[in-house]
Amino acid sequence: EAGVAQSPRYKIIEKRQSVAFWCNPISGHATLYWYQQILGQGPKLLIQFQNNGVVDDSQLPKDRFSAERLKGVDSTLKIQPAKLEDSAVYLCASSLDRAGGYTFGSGTRLTVV
Amino acid sequence: KQEVTQIPAALSVPEGENLVLNCSFTDSAIYNLQWFRQDPGKGLTSLLLIQSSQREQTSGRLNASLDKSSGRSTLYIAASQPGDSATYLCAVPANQAGTALIFGKGTTLSVSS
Repeated sequence: EAGVAQSPRYKIIEKRQSVAFWCNPISGHATLYWYQQILGQGPKLLIQFQNNGVVDDSQLPKDRFSAERLKGVDSTLKIQPAKLEDSAVYLCASSLDRAGGYTFGSGTRLTVV
Repeated sequence: KQEVTQIPAALSVPEGENLVLNCSFTDSAIYNLQWFRQDPGKGLTSLLLIQSSQREQTSGRLNASLDKSSGRSTLYIAASQPGDSATYLCAVPANQAGTALIFGKGTTLSVSS
């Protein structure tokens, strides 16, 4: 089966600019997650979707971050305006259900200068 | 609030050694625990998923154990190889109802030939 696809792989932007990341999960996986991984840390959940509804966005900085999952398939994560501390790898993952494991994409490495 | 700790943060061993990576979690009411591998610049690859009813899982040279009552899991790697060099992350569900994960900071393993 095809994996979780993410693009772009790398992005360098200046602070206060905007950026968007795209994710296509494994076909049939109802749950989609965006995680932020700062260098030297484990991934931290930003937002979780079940189909096209938000399950958990409690750790999403809503003043600058937004995410959507139209039609319950692809998802985009946007940052506007970016700050230096947003430099991280943004990982998308999907899962089938509670019993199944996760599949992660390769991530997007964002550098804010 | 669930917290996950991994010890040691880094480990260097010569090829052929058996080794143990440790993971501890503060809330024992988990329904599973996962071990992931992360190569530099890459996403996470699921290695082993242990359900709460199980005490261990094995895959090739990897064996993961789970002791819910003490809040601990170990990942045992037998006969280590240079290709095992990576960061190993332990993760548990954030709560009983959901599937979002709480990760440790990881153990970075270096196996020298």
